[in-house]
Amino acid sequence: GDSVTQMEGPVTLSEEAFLTINCTYTATGYPSLFWYVQYPGEGLQLLLKATKADDKGSNKGFEATYRKETTSFHLEKGSVQVSDSAVYFCALSDLNAGNNRKLIWGLGTSLAVNP
Amino acid sequence: KAGVTQTPRYLIKTRGQQVTLSCSPISGHRSVSWYQQTPGQGLQFLFEYFSETQRNKGNFPGRFSGRQFSNSRSEMNVSTLELGDSALYLCASSSGLAGALAKNIQYFGAGTRLSVL
Repeated sequence: GDSVTQMEGPVTLSEEAFLTINCTYTATGYPSLFWYVQYPGEGLQLLLKATKADDKGSNKGFEATYRKETTSFHLEKGSVQVSDSAVYFCALSDLNAGNNRKLIWGLGTSLAVNP
Repeated sequence: KAGVTQTPRYLIKTRGQQVTLSCSPISGHRSVSWYQQTPGQGLQFLFEYFSETQRNKGNFPGRFSGRQFSNSRSEMNVSTLELGDSALYLCASSSGLAGALAKNIQYFGAGTRLSVL
């Protein structure tokens, strides 16, 4: 079945460092890919998405490119801030597998940014 | 506009009891989905309701049930609670219009944290 694998955390960086959080997926159809962020004590917020191969999603300085050849959707940011400290989730929605109305999630990667 | 509201925020129950969680979606949204979040299993889909009908269902036992009212508010019920049901339960709303999820972004509430003792 469909699945999402994320790099394990926690990830600890200094402010202004470069961030990469790896995400790979397995899907039987043509998935859409998402990154969600969960700040402490809050619900999940959509960070960015991509709906087809080679699409690049971007928001708040974060970027991720849908790579079908490597089945990956790695999250990157050039210069992280303390306010980026949160848990990041990669997820997919697979249209052709009949799962187009639910999200399949990675386990999440905790990011801590130190001043 | 107001976001997704989940009540209560915290619950403590004992094994064997039942519990009901509530979710009020964003105004105008007709789809409500429920997810269970645990440290070991991550986020897992429970079910989705649209226009008072269950439209999609995950792989959870029958102890987990839900319903949706005409105003789109949804409730989730767990009967005969087990220790393993301790989790953060998240509700997400979307417009629910026909089409793939990518075109119907889900907006999440802050969740209800259930502890089963």
